[in-house]
Amino acid sequence: RKEVEQDPGPFNVPEGATVAFNCTYSNSASQSFFWYRQDCRKEPKLLMSVYSSGNEDGRFTAQLNRASQYISLLIRDSKLSDSATYLCVVNTGFQKLVFGTGTRLLVSP
Amino acid sequence: DTAVSQTPKYLVTQMGNDKSIKCEQNLGHDTMYWYKQDSKKFLKIMFSYNNKELIINETVPNRFSPKSPDKAHLNLHINSLELGDSAVYFCASSQLQGIGTEAFFGQGTRLTVV
Repeated sequence: RKEVEQDPGPFNVPEGATVAFNCTYSNSASQSFFWYRQDCRKEPKLLMSVYSSGNEDGRFTAQLNRASQYISLLIRDSKLSDSATYLCVVNTGFQKLVFGTGTRLLVSP
Repeated sequence: DTAVSQTPKYLVTQMGNDKSIKCEQNLGHDTMYWYKQDSKKFLKIMFSYNNKELIINETVPNRFSPKSPDKAHLNLHINSLELGDSAVYFCASSQLQGIGTEAFFGQGTRLTVV
């Protein structure tokens, strides 16, 4: 089983739509969780950290369910500029950040 | 000021050659990484260094040898390059302490072995 699993997509949505990505992780001792965004031919950049209580940043909401070892990202009112690959990232401990394969999002006019 | 810089950005070389990629971070972070992103876009950790000491080696072939002269630098030397080494190599750094903080990535080095 992969350490971090995501649906690779692509998710094709119209502008203004709400879209949700899910991610599962296998190591129950994992300590911290993140969503990164990667644009084509660019480096990954932090989108947001994920906290147990859930957290929101504008149109983006992240949730963590430790019991189910599950992380989610919700994007409301999608913009064309949201088109990118979204990477689920888990800190499994000992300075190890494990990336999921990424979920590709395509927002169309 | 670039936080994590790696050179070169592009590298085209023949099979069997030896090449190096350099990485420097000016963020004062203790931890640095090398990641490989293959043609399927999967980003896989190769090495992690903390304060110049190797912490993680993810069963990378011996042909890959990281070197950290100080905590701001983590270079990657590759011997006897193979076609399968073609990928984008990303350097990153972070200040991971328990809960964890953001990792910053360099722009990547696109290695093509011909």
